[in-house]
Amino acid sequence: DGGITQSPKYLFRKEGQNVTLSCEQNLNHDAMYWYRQDPGQGLRLIYYSQIVNDFQKGDIAEGYSVSREKKESFPLTVTSAQKNPTAFYLCASSSSGYNEQFFGPGTRLTVL
Amino acid sequence: AQKVTQAQTEISVVEKEDVTLDCVYETRDTTYYLFWYKQPPSGELVFLIRRNSFDEQNEISGRYSWNFQKSTSSFNFTITASQVVDSAVYFCALSESTGNTPLVFGKGTRLSVIA
Repeated sequence: DGGITQSPKYLFRKEGQNVTLSCEQNLNHDAMYWYRQDPGQGLRLIYYSQIVNDFQKGDIAEGYSVSREKKESFPLTVTSAQKNPTAFYLCASSSSGYNEQFFGPGTRLTVL
Repeated sequence: AQKVTQAQTEISVVEKEDVTLDCVYETRDTTYYLFWYKQPPSGELVFLIRRNSFDEQNEISGRYSWNFQKSTSSFNFTITASQVVDSAVYFCALSESTGNTPLVFGKGTRLSVIA
């Protein structure tokens, strides 16, 4: 089945630790995205990548880092510099054309 | 800059009632895309519809319909004869017309359909 997988579903982190969220897609999509969702808020863009080995910052990139070494994978690292990382993180992908994005199931990160 | 406003934070209806979710957008682009997504309690966003800015025809898909009016910068979503399974958070979103660009989301409307 084609789709987007994110792991883990739930993640707990101690303050001061870096943590990496996984996002994999087998849709052969060129572009991938990371969004953050807080309670009662819409989705806000963290980073996106339109092609392999290239990515752009979104509105709230501070405290996050990404890599795009393979077309299928776009991991997100939440660093200790991110002041309030507790949130729901959604990964998405799209192919060129109509910009319709498909989303993964999300990772809920809690900082203890 | 692009902006999407969903003024209704939460809506509750009784099953079988019709309900309309409002979406107002701002953009300087002459061509753009508009979207609606559904987020059920599981959390994953489900794509519902995409509309091109040059196509103002309304669309109907089963119990769902969408009213796009460029003159008022609105893209409203109506559910006819609502069902409990329609309970979710609904997001309206906007993007540039070029491919593979990020979406700008509204804050969402939480719809509760009561049996």
